[in-house]
Amino acid sequence: QQQVKQSPQSLIVQKGGISIINCAYENTAFDYFPWYQQFPGKGPALLIAIRPDVSEKKEGRFTISFNKSAKQFSLHIMDSQPGDSATYFCAASRDYKLSFGAGTTVTVRA
Amino acid sequence: KAGVTQTPRYLIKTRGQQVTLSCSPISGHRSVSWYQQTPGQGLQFLFEYFSETQRNKGNFPGRFSGRQFSNSRSEMNVSTLELGDSALYLCASSLNGPPDTQYFGPGTRLTVL
Repeated sequence: QQQVKQSPQSLIVQKGGISIINCAYENTAFDYFPWYQQFPGKGPALLIAIRPDVSEKKEGRFTISFNKSAKQFSLHIMDSQPGDSATYFCAASRDYKLSFGAGTTVTVRA
Repeated sequence: KAGVTQTPRYLIKTRGQQVTLSCSPISGHRSVSWYQQTPGQGLQFLFEYFSETQRNKGNFPGRFSGRQFSNSRSEMNVSTLELGDSALYLCASSLNGPPDTQYFGPGTRLTVL
């Protein structure tokens, strides 16, 4: 049973466009929400993370929006580049454990 | 600093055999977590170790076990392999465990025939 639900499963965006990935959770005990980026043949790498007492966090072209009341959070990739083509995972943490969403494969067309 | 290393990178086993995978964390990191990644189930948490103690465990059968040594290196063992155990097994290290940033290794690709 997936504790974190992620959508869409895949998306295609033109270079320079905006990619938006959404996640939802049920367990209010989660206390940390990271996003990971994974390229083929590599392990996931932390992209950006947020704690539930913050509504938005921006790092470069990547922004997390967090809605605690709705138990939802999303990743926005601005000015998408071909090098952003990868699989993105949202996750939620509690008790030394990360629960991952199913992943979103993002393809950026040049 | 060297990253997380996992050995071996690839393994082929047959049903019923057992396998041991190894993970060397980043120097100074005391927490090691293990995950199974498959196309159907995604990334599933196996267990987390900190200073040789298992602090949390995922919903996997008892055939999956692990341990951590005093130098923080970790091993996971899968006994009586099944076809469904074919997966990429990822190890991640962090200073003190989630929510500290986890750094993933490249994984061990296990194929069970």
